[in-house]
Amino acid sequence: QITLKESGPTLVKPTQTLTLTCTFSGFSLSTSGLGVGWIRQPPGKALEWLALISWNDDKHYSPSLKSRLTITKDTSKNQVVLTMTNMDPVDTATYYCAHKPYGPFDYWGQGTVVTVSS
Amino acid sequence: QSVLTQPPSVSGAPGQRVSISCTGSNSNIGAGHAVHWYQQLPGTAPKLLIYGNTNRPSGVPDRFSGSKSGTSASLAITGLQAEDEADYYCQSYDSSLSGWVFGGGTKVTVL
Repeated sequence: QITLKESGPTLVKPTQTLTLTCTFSGFSLSTSGLGVGWIRQPPGKALEWLALISWNDDKHYSPSLKSRLTITKDTSKNQVVLTMTNMDPVDTATYYCAHKPYGPFDYWGQGTVVTVSS
Repeated sequence: QSVLTQPPSVSGAPGQRVSISCTGSNSNIGAGHAVHWYQQLPGTAPKLLIYGNTNRPSGVPDRFSGSKSGTSASLAITGLQAEDEADYYCQSYDSSLSGWVFGGGTKVTVL
C-alpha cells in the first residue's frame, strides 16, 4: 500500500531555511505519470498547495512562493525534499506531502508541524 | 483569499441532505479542469472523497456525491451522519497560475 511520511524540524527561527523530507513507499517516482506534492495548512486555515515534482523531474511551484521554494527527488531513496528559505512566523503550519497520479492528491502523509519563532 | 470559493460553514440534522458549493473561474473549473473533494476530520490529514468531479474512491460511502457545472462544482452529502462532521475542501488546477488550487474549506456541523 502507498504510505508517505514527512520529517523535519518542528521549530525554526525567522530568516532560517526549512528543509522537509517526504519518505514514501508503495510506489516509485520513476513511474510515468506520478508526482509528489507539498501542501501546507496554517492553524485553523485552509490548505495551500506549495510545490510538486513529477516522475520526469518536472517541477512546479506556487507562484506566490516560487522564489523561496526548491523541490527535489531522490528516486533511489524514495524521498522528496522541499526547502523553503527565509522563514517567517506566517509560515507556521502543518506541512503535508501527497502522492499525485494524473488527477487528485490521493494519498497523504500524516503531516508535520512547523513553528517559526525566535 | 482562495482561488476557489466555498461557504465557510453548512449544517444539518442527522439524516438530512447538505450541499457545499465550490465556485471558480474560467481558468480553473470553467476551463474543464477536474474538481476533487477532500474530507478532513479534526486533527487528521485530508482524505480524498471525490475525484474527477463525480467519482468516489473505493470505500467512500455513496452518501457522498459530486457534480460540476460551468465554473462551479458541488459536493452533496445525503443521510447526514454524526461522523460526517468535518472540514471539506475542493481542489482543481488553474491554468493562469499553472498550479493546483484549493478552496477555503467548509465546516460541516451535524446538529
